[in-house]
Amino acid sequence: DQQVKQNSPSLSVQEGRISILNCDYTNSMFDYFLWYKKYPAEGPTFLISISSIKDKNEDGRFTVFLNKSAKHLSLHIVPSQPGDSAVYFCAASAGSQGNLIFGKGTKLSVKP
Amino acid sequence: KAGVTQTPRYLIKTRGQQVTLSCSPISGHRSVSWYQQTPGQGLQFLFEYFSETQRNKGNFPGRFSGRQFSNSRSEMNVSTLELGDSALYLCASSPDRGLNTGELFFGEGSRLTVL
Repeated sequence: DQQVKQNSPSLSVQEGRISILNCDYTNSMFDYFLWYKKYPAEGPTFLISISSIKDKNEDGRFTVFLNKSAKHLSLHIVPSQPGDSAVYFCAASAGSQGNLIFGKGTKLSVKP
Repeated sequence: KAGVTQTPRYLIKTRGQQVTLSCSPISGHRSVSWYQQTPGQGLQFLFEYFSETQRNKGNFPGRFSGRQFSNSRSEMNVSTLELGDSALYLCASSPDRGLNTGELFFGEGSRLTVL
């Protein structure tokens, strides 16, 4: 049973517009959520995170929103740039020693 | 500061063989996690080691094993390889999964192809 779901395998956005990547989770024990970005032939790199005590975290062009009641989080990228084209993974953990559970990823393509 | 180093980067094996992959974490990082990435399944957690002890384990068969050395370097082994084991194996380190916020630093991975 998949505990972290990214239901959109791919997303295409025009440069300058907003990219919204979605993630749903089923485990109510998850209390920390992260987004990773992965380019081909490279390992994933950490992008932004949010604790369950918050509902929003912002870092430059990247904002993550958490809706605990809906068990849903989203990553907003504004404005989108061609260099943002990558696979984005949502991840979650439960407790300070819980391992990270990843979604299957969403491939974002930002067109010039 | 050097990043997470994984060796080998690419390897080809045949069914029934065994393989050992190596991971050197970032200096000072004591936790090492291993993930398997396949096109249809995303990143699936294999196991995590901290201070030479396996602290967490994913849902993989016993053919998948690992260990961590006193210098925090880690190895994972897959015995009796199957075609479905073809994947990118990613190692990630962190200072201490018990104290920090969960951010992992990934290596570039070892691409295993089983023929």
